[in-house]
Amino acid sequence: NAGVTQTPKFQVLKTGQSMTLQCAQDMNHNSMYWYRQDPGMGLRLIYYSASEGTTDKGEVPNGYNVSRLNKREFSLRLESAAPSQTSVYFCASIGNSPLHFGNGTRLTVT
Amino acid sequence: AQRVTQPEKLLSVFKGAPVELKCNYSYSGSPELFWYVQYSRQRLQLLLRHISRESIKGFTADLNKGETSFHLKKPFAQEEDSAMYYCALSGGSGNQFYFGTGTSLTVIP
Repeated sequence: NAGVTQTPKFQVLKTGQSMTLQCAQDMNHNSMYWYRQDPGMGLRLIYYSASEGTTDKGEVPNGYNVSRLNKREFSLRLESAAPSQTSVYFCASIGNSPLHFGNGTRLTVT
Repeated sequence: AQRVTQPEKLLSVFKGAPVELKCNYSYSGSPELFWYVQYSRQRLQLLLRHISRESIKGFTADLNKGETSFHLKKPFAQEEDSAMYYCALSGGSGNQFYFGTGTSLTVIP
C-alpha cells in the first residue's frame, strides 16, 4: 500500500518547456488535489477532482491543466513553464477524511 | 477570501517550554479543522483533527466556535517538534480544503 505516489521527485525546466507531473493513489479515493507550496504563502490549491471524470479550478489555476485519467491517477501539466512556477508541488487524495499527501515534486524553472 | 489565518510565520521556543500555534478561521457552516505537520523535506502528514479530540505527540487543539479558533498547544516542547505546521479547514462541496500559510516552529535545545 504505497498511498499517494508522485513522479518525478525533482525537475528542472527552461522557460517555455512543458512537462507533466504524475500522481497516483492506491487507496480507492474519490477526490484528488494538486497544491503548490511556496515560502510564506503556504499551500495553495491549483486544481482538484472531486471524482473520476470531473476537475475544477482552485485558487491558482493559471498556467496549469489537469487530467483525471481514472480513479487512481491525476496529472498536472505545465504547457509553457515560467519562472513563477518554480515551487514544490504536492498531490493529495481523500476518501472520507483526512487528506493524504504525496512526497512532492520540486520544480525549478530557469 | 482568507479562510484560514496563521498569524505567526516563525515561532521559536526553548525545549521544555509551552508552545501555542495560533489558527483562526472564517467559514459559514460547520467546517472540519485539522493540523498538518511537515518535517524537513518530508510529506505533509495529519497531526490531529478536531472531531477526534485526541492528543497526538503531546499536542492538543480545541475548536472554539465563538472565537473561530483552533490553536495547537503542547505543554512541553521537544526538539523533534521542530517542523512546519499548517492549519487546514475542510468544507463545501467536493471536499475542498483550505490551508493557512503555515508556522515554522523551531525548538531551541
